[in-house]
Amino acid sequence: DADVTQTPRNRITKTGKRIMLECSQTKGHDRMYWYRQDPGLGLRLIYYSFDVKDINKGEISDGYSVSRQAQAKFSLSLESAIPNQTALYFCATSDQGQGAGDEQFFGPGTRLTVL
Amino acid sequence: AQRVTQPEKLLSVFKGAPVELKCNYSYSGSPELFWYVQYSRQRLQLLLRHISRESIKGFTADLNKGETSFHLKKPFAQEEDSAMYYCALSGRGTDKLIFGTGTRLQVFP
Repeated sequence: DADVTQTPRNRITKTGKRIMLECSQTKGHDRMYWYRQDPGLGLRLIYYSFDVKDINKGEISDGYSVSRQAQAKFSLSLESAIPNQTALYFCATSDQGQGAGDEQFFGPGTRLTVL
Repeated sequence: AQRVTQPEKLLSVFKGAPVELKCNYSYSGSPELFWYVQYSRQRLQLLLRHISRESIKGFTADLNKGETSFHLKKPFAQEEDSAMYYCALSGRGTDKLIFGTGTRLQVFP
């Protein structure tokens, strides 16, 4: 779904470097999410935002920060990358919750390797 | 604690065989259950949700509150069903998803 884009798609960096992953969406959704995917662990929620002024920690927020610059943009930062942050990172969006199981739309993922 | 368990990392079947991907959950309250699928080189996408009670691509899933399960079933597997399948839940009224660890389905010709 080209409506949710992530940049970069691949990134190799060194321990201690600051990294920013960006997510943009043209779906007009209020809600945005950042997940990481690790083999054998599935997807785990890092941060989520229900609107521009709303930022919430997810299951594994330590070592990460986010910025919701606009409705369409949600960035994830690793202030000082470490090797165990090597993972596949996904951004997702959803429409304002209707209490009826709203679908999340995922970006293509960013593969991050921290050496 | 809120948790989704998918006990099988890999499920291999032959084309035409029935498929059942298991999912059990732990949640205090009324959860909403989903199955997401990731085909090779494609994005993670919603396959079906329990509240819709629909069949998608021949797959169905019934929420069993007594057994806290939401198993995904298909009577006759096809090669194009080969993918990674994730069971997920969210609390009613919130979109936060809790994912299971996923099951890779391989359908052999």
